[in-house]
Amino acid sequence: AQSVTQLDSHVSVSEGTPVLLRCNYSSSYSPSLFWYVQHPNKGLQLLLKYTSAATLVKGINGFEAEFKKSETSFHLTKPSAHMSDAAEYFCASEYGNKLVFGAGTILRVKS
Amino acid sequence: EPEVTQTPSHQVTQMGQEVILRCVPISNHLYFYWYRQILGQKVEFLVSFYNNEISEKSEIFDDQFSVERPDGSNFTLKIRSTKLEDSAMYFCASRGTRGQETQYFGPGTRLLVL
Repeated sequence: AQSVTQLDSHVSVSEGTPVLLRCNYSSSYSPSLFWYVQHPNKGLQLLLKYTSAATLVKGINGFEAEFKKSETSFHLTKPSAHMSDAAEYFCASEYGNKLVFGAGTILRVKS
Repeated sequence: EPEVTQTPSHQVTQMGQEVILRCVPISNHLYFYWYRQILGQKVEFLVSFYNNEISEKSEIFDDQFSVERPDGSNFTLKIRSTKLEDSAMYFCASRGTRGQETQYFGPGTRLLVL
């Protein structure tokens, strides 16, 4: 069965420093991959997606992610964290007609 | 920008009662979904709906759950006899045509079963 693993349940960074949120997927093929963000009491907002085009994907709010098939990874990065980036981030893989989500990573940004 | 909307935002109900969660997908979308997120757990797929029928459902989606598209705009999830363990955030999502991979999510309905 397809699965998505987010390697860190919590990540804490200082404002202005880089962000790295890690995601690995398990699949026998190259799936479509997504990062969603969830702010407190809000829904899931799409940050970016990979759909077998360019391996480096740029999303909203300065986030990007790189698809690495050899490592089965799709890590999310941002060069400089902002206080407004504090939220929960979900990596997801499309499996058939549905999304399979990772457990989520809570990003804390310290001033 | 078009978005998926859900009502109510919060619902509290007694165990054994029926609840209906409502969603208005993006207007030209063809695929509709319900997911749920129990507090502190992963977002889990419940059901997908296309062409007025269920296309896939998870093990969670047992006989107490049903979905319906009663008119051209609404998409509902009914839980016939709620249990304590149904307490969760329920998300509706929609997607356009087969070639469009992105599912757009609504803000969710937080259901609390007492």
